[in-house]
Amino acid sequence: KAGVTQTPRYLIKTRGQQVTLSCSPISGHRSVSWYQQTPGQGLQFLFEYFSETQRNKGNFPGRFSGRQFSNSRSEMNVSTLELGDSALYLCASSLGEIQFFGPGTRLTVL
Amino acid sequence: GQQLNQSPQSMFIQEGEDVSMNCTSSSIFNTWLWYKQDPGEGPVLLIALYKAGELTSNGRLTAQFGITRKDSFLNISASIPSDVGIYFCAGRMLYSGGGADGLTFGKGTHLIIQP
Repeated sequence: KAGVTQTPRYLIKTRGQQVTLSCSPISGHRSVSWYQQTPGQGLQFLFEYFSETQRNKGNFPGRFSGRQFSNSRSEMNVSTLELGDSALYLCASSLGEIQFFGPGTRLTVL
Repeated sequence: GQQLNQSPQSMFIQEGEDVSMNCTSSSIFNTWLWYKQDPGEGPVLLIALYKAGELTSNGRLTAQFGITRKDSFLNISASIPSDVGIYFCAGRMLYSGGGADGLTFGKGTHLIIQP
């Protein structure tokens, strides 16, 4: 089975712009979660989607949003980018309790 | 957001030595997980623990779910060069209705092995 894929792998944006990141889960997995990884804060949970519905949400501002499509693929969007949004954004898919991570999208905000 | 207290932050060891790292939390979790992350990659699951007191092995790796449900440790025996990386603990609450909280991660233990 192919693993979790994330596109793009690298992205450079400027402050004030918006960005959309994409995640394709492992085939058959219906749950997709997003995490932000920074050197200072470590890995932090953003939100989880299951069957096209947001099931859970971390403690991030409303600029961070996501959605899930009927084929379980997910996108996350960050609007009005700030320098502090520079991070590795990781997507994880799961069928049961175990989450399998993709390689991440490295976002740099200039 | 909430984070787990993971220690040590980094370890410099000789090849062949045993390694021990642990994680503590102020909150209870009913699932503990240990992941390893290599540069440029996402975390890869090493061991999952579901029951307080559970001791589980995966090759040279052994992990335990603390009795209080607020801690876990990971041991690596006879370390080899490919063990280099960052190890993360993660706690999770799973609910009987099928829902679950997101993973709460520790800040990681950097393992560096000197040949």
